[in-house]
Amino acid sequence: RKEVEQDPGPFNVPEGATVAFNCTYSNSASQSFFWYRQDCRKEPKLLMSVYSSGNEDGRFTAQLNRASQYISLLIRDSKLSDSATYLCVVSRVEYGNKLVFGAGTILRVKS
Amino acid sequence: GAGVSQSPSNKVTEKGKDVELRCDPISGHTALYWYRQSLGQGLEFLIYFQGNSAPDKSGLPSDRFSAERTGGSVSTLTIQRTQQEDSAVYLCASSLRRTGQGGKYEQYFGPGTRLTVT
Repeated sequence: RKEVEQDPGPFNVPEGATVAFNCTYSNSASQSFFWYRQDCRKEPKLLMSVYSSGNEDGRFTAQLNRASQYISLLIRDSKLSDSATYLCVVSRVEYGNKLVFGAGTILRVKS
Repeated sequence: GAGVSQSPSNKVTEKGKDVELRCDPISGHTALYWYRQSLGQGLEFLIYFQGNSAPDKSGLPSDRFSAERTGGSVSTLTIQRTQQEDSAVYLCASSLRRTGQGGKYEQYFGPGTRLTVT
């Protein structure tokens, strides 16, 4: 079993739609949680960190459920430019914060 | 400010040759990581440097892989006797290690080096 599991998609949604991605992690000792975005043939870029209290950045909302070891990302009012692969990422301080990546979820927003 | 830079951006080499990949982290970032992303695969950790501490090499796939970080800044990843399965994008990331409760260690990635072994 992979340490971080994501639905690979693709999620095909129309512009303006709301879409949610889920991710589960297997190591309960994980301490830091992130969503990265990766465009085709580009490097991953940090989208947002995920906090236990949940956090929002514009159209993006991230939630963390430590009890269920579950992370989510909600995108409202999808734009064409949101089309990308979204990577769920966890890390632990005692392991030098090296990132453990999920395989990614592909989002395609269509007009 | 300047982000993480990597060179070369693309490298094509023949099987059996050695290659060196370079990473310049963000100025002031004390932690530096190497990852690789093979075609159709997720990113996997290779090696981690933090300040003057011994590097964490636990992700290196074989002894053909090595890395060093000189002066706490620039890092070089060396692959000896390259094999076709080494073909991948090699990504470097750096972070500013923060202390304190709930401190976050966001890592910022360079554009990567696309290595093709023929």
